[in-house]
Amino acid sequence: GAVVSQHPSWVICKSGTSVKIECRSLDFQATTMFWYRQFPKQSLMLMATSNEGSKATYEQGVEKDKFLINHASLTLSTLTVTSAHPEDSSFYICSAHLGPGQGSTMGYTFGSGTRLTVV
Amino acid sequence: DAKTTQPPSMDCAEGRAANLPCNHSTISGNEYVYWYRQIHSQGPQYIIHGLKNNETNEMASLIITEDRKSSTLILPHATLRDTAVYYCIVRVGNNFNKFYFGSGTKLNVKP
Repeated sequence: GAVVSQHPSWVICKSGTSVKIECRSLDFQATTMFWYRQFPKQSLMLMATSNEGSKATYEQGVEKDKFLINHASLTLSTLTVTSAHPEDSSFYICSAHLGPGQGSTMGYTFGSGTRLTVV
Repeated sequence: DAKTTQPPSMDCAEGRAANLPCNHSTISGNEYVYWYRQIHSQGPQYIIHGLKNNETNEMASLIITEDRKSSTLILPHATLRDTAVYYCIVRVGNNFNKFYFGSGTKLNVKP
């Protein structure tokens, strides 16, 4: 089945540094990927839509200059948390839609998530 | 996409059937009902989806009411590993756009 690989699974960084999270579709092409953030005991919150070859679109309230998204190929999207602060500590999850011919009515497949801790 | 309403939590005894309800009274004719679950500290996992008819797969069964305003996910023989948050999401099936999560139901399977 379709698999989305997300790395790293966890990362600890110092306040003020930047962290990059990768999301790869292993056996299918994903023109669109999505990034979510999840705080403890809360639901997943959509942050942005990553589009291959074009700029990402961000949800209201999400700072695009802080959460940089790059989707340079059909199998890779990256999220960079710039100048991270403790309040950015969260669980970040990517997902991709299985497009036409790839079981599109099944919706989305998700990565395993990245636990970011900013100290 | 239509909004969904789920109970915040439910308990189920191990080996018994778990029936998780979802209300989606504003669902449109072309919107599917999807169910995902999220085990602690993992990414969401697809369970099942349906449009009008009841559906069954190796994981669960989905019962959709005739008026499509509500549905029930059934785990026929719940195990401890089924403890997770279950999300009911309603959306257009071949729409490649955004996918929003509600608050879900925390299912606690107890020995």
